[in-house]
Amino acid sequence: NAGVTQTPKFRVLKTGQSMTLLCAQDMNHEYMYWYRQDPGMGLRLIHYSVGEGTTAKGEVPDGYNVSRLKKQNFLLGLESAAPSQTSVYFCASTRGQGYGYTFGSGTRLTVV
Amino acid sequence: EDQVTQSPEALRLQEGESSSLNCSYTVSGLRGLFWYRQDPGKGPEFLFTLYSAGEEKEKERLKATLTKKESFLHITAPKPEDSATYLCAVQAAQTGTASKLTFGTGTRLQVTL
Repeated sequence: NAGVTQTPKFRVLKTGQSMTLLCAQDMNHEYMYWYRQDPGMGLRLIHYSVGEGTTAKGEVPDGYNVSRLKKQNFLLGLESAAPSQTSVYFCASTRGQGYGYTFGSGTRLTVV
Repeated sequence: EDQVTQSPEALRLQEGESSSLNCSYTVSGLRGLFWYRQDPGKGPEFLFTLYSAGEEKEKERLKATLTKKESFLHITAPKPEDSATYLCAVQAAQTGTASKLTFGTGTRLQVTL
């Protein structure tokens, strides 16, 4: 089992460029999440999904969009990248309430 | 609003020197408290879930305990391979929370020979 796979692992963008981060899980989990991790601020929730075709905003959604067209995939889009979006992005999934998350290995994004 | 505060921010121990990490939390009804380990450049790795005050869980040199206001991660006779950042998170019990976790900022542990 691969668990949660994130692509790409590293990316450098210029301000104003767009990109999509892909998260794929093979555990048949219903719930999926996108977090960003910044020094001193911990993990902050960007968007999440409680099932195929559903998405919802988290704590810091501005500047990001998401889609969950297939149960196993959760995509995070940056429409017009800004230096403030320089961060490490983690995708996670879980089967539901009371269960721990399985995290991907992260995408390190730098916006210059 | 759910809040999680971890202390200390950083801890340096010698091999074999036992200690504890603290996680204080406020949540409107606790569904579960989670501990994760994160190595540099990797995603968090699940360690434990605690559901009610008085509960304890162990894994090798780690033991997690829970009260109504805080959780402790006790590390007994640590080894250099225990060096990592340890994250604490809470999940609220209300319906409609979509199993969301609120994380603390972590304790960075370094164990030296």
